Amino acid sequence: EAQVTQNPRYLITVTGKKLTVTCSQNMNHEYMSWYRQDPGLGLRQIYYSMNVEVTDKGDVPEGYKVSRKEKRNFPLILESPSPNQTSLYFCASSLRGGRTEAFFGQGTRLTVV
Amino acid sequence: SQQGEEDPQALSIQEGENATMNCSYKTSINNLQWYRQNSGRGLVHLILIRSNEREKHSGRLRVTLDTSKKSSSLLITASRAADTASYFCATDPYNTDKLIFGTGTRLQVFP
Repeated sequence: EAQVTQNPRYLITVTGKKLTVTCSQNMNHEYMSWYRQDPGLGLRQIYYSMNVEVTDKGDVPEGYKVSRKEKRNFPLILESPSPNQTSLYFCASSLRGGRTEAFFGQGTRLTVV
Repeated sequence: SQQGEEDPQALSIQEGENATMNCSYKTSINNLQWYRQNSGRGLVHLILIRSNEREKHSGRLRVTLDTSKKSSSLLITASRAADTASYFCATDPYNTDKLIFGTGTRLQVFP
């Protein structure tokens, strides 16, 4: 089954404790991206990757890191989480960026206290 | 930000009625997509319309695109309670590799 898998689904952490949210897709898609969703603000793109070893900033990259060492995986790293990063995070993949439909993971609800 | 905006923010209708949502965006685009999200879950793709298309249909969905006004509309005909969800437009702007989402319309369909 074609899917994007994020883990964990829920995470509560403390300020400053490094964390990683994993994302994996099984569709051989070139394009992967991370979004955060906050009430009233819709989805905002954090980072995206056009292919292996190619990543670029979205609209809200501050406080986040990503890497794309393999085509299927695109982890999101918060080196020093802060309460303003409490949000619902989504990973997505597509064959050719915005030119084709995107497939979304089920989301990771992160709370930073 | 290049983010689009949906209008209205929220819409409540009775089953059987039609629901219309609008999306406005700021820059020239290659295409525009509509997605659906059920209560905090992952988004699901509904339809994609290219910048050289004016209208597209898929089942009970009808999407229009007016690139001169930088706007699109999504019409859901004969709505059902199961259509209750949030709906987002997403644009693929020229000369970027981004996929930019709007703020969404929350649709509630009462049985």
